[in-house]
Amino acid sequence: SQKIEQNSEALNIQEGKTATLTCNYTNYSPAYLQWYRQDPGRGPVFLLLIRENEKEKRKERLKVTFDTTLKQSLFHITASQPADSATYLCLLGGGGSYIPTFGRGTSLIVHP
Amino acid sequence: GAVVSQHPSRVICKSGTSVKIECRSLDFQATTMFWYRQFPKQSLMLMATSNEGSKATYEQGVEKDKFLINHASLTLSTLTVTSAHPEDSSFYICSAPSDRQETQYFGPGTRLLVL
Repeated sequence: SQKIEQNSEALNIQEGKTATLTCNYTNYSPAYLQWYRQDPGRGPVFLLLIRENEKEKRKERLKVTFDTTLKQSLFHITASQPADSATYLCLLGGGGSYIPTFGRGTSLIVHP
Repeated sequence: GAVVSQHPSRVICKSGTSVKIECRSLDFQATTMFWYRQFPKQSLMLMATSNEGSKATYEQGVEKDKFLINHASLTLSTLTVTSAHPEDSSFYICSAPSDRQETQYFGPGTRLLVL
């Protein structure tokens, strides 16, 4: 069965640094991959989508890469701010069926 | 962007009672909606896919007789937790896909506490 892995431990970084989160997957060939942000007690909020034929996607301070050979996506937040502290989830989709499959999520803590 | 609402946002009930949670797409139609459950510090676990006008599709291990799903219109899906028990206490979230089904719009979630 398909499996998605995200850094299980919280990522602690200093304000201004670049945060890099990882999403690895196996037994799946997604047509696209998405990243969401979830704050405590709230539903996830969509951030970025990257398709299988795209290597990189940017949106303001966010950058996502997608390596279908490595079966990995990296999510970068540059010039991080304490307000970026949240849990970030990756979701795989497409690839023949549309059953959204989430990773466990990685908690990011940006210290001032 | 598209908005999905959930009601109620919080509910506390006694063990053995049933609780209904509503999920509405406010400015778009959704023939499909997804219901998730999230325990503390865990990821979202897909419970079922709600299909307008037909039966819901449940994920393995989810009891369809306990978690009743009704998708009676293009903007409303309901999840009823029947005969709730303390172990059903969780955060329940619904989502609806965009037109091209490439983005999920999530509701704000419903916190259920069963005493």
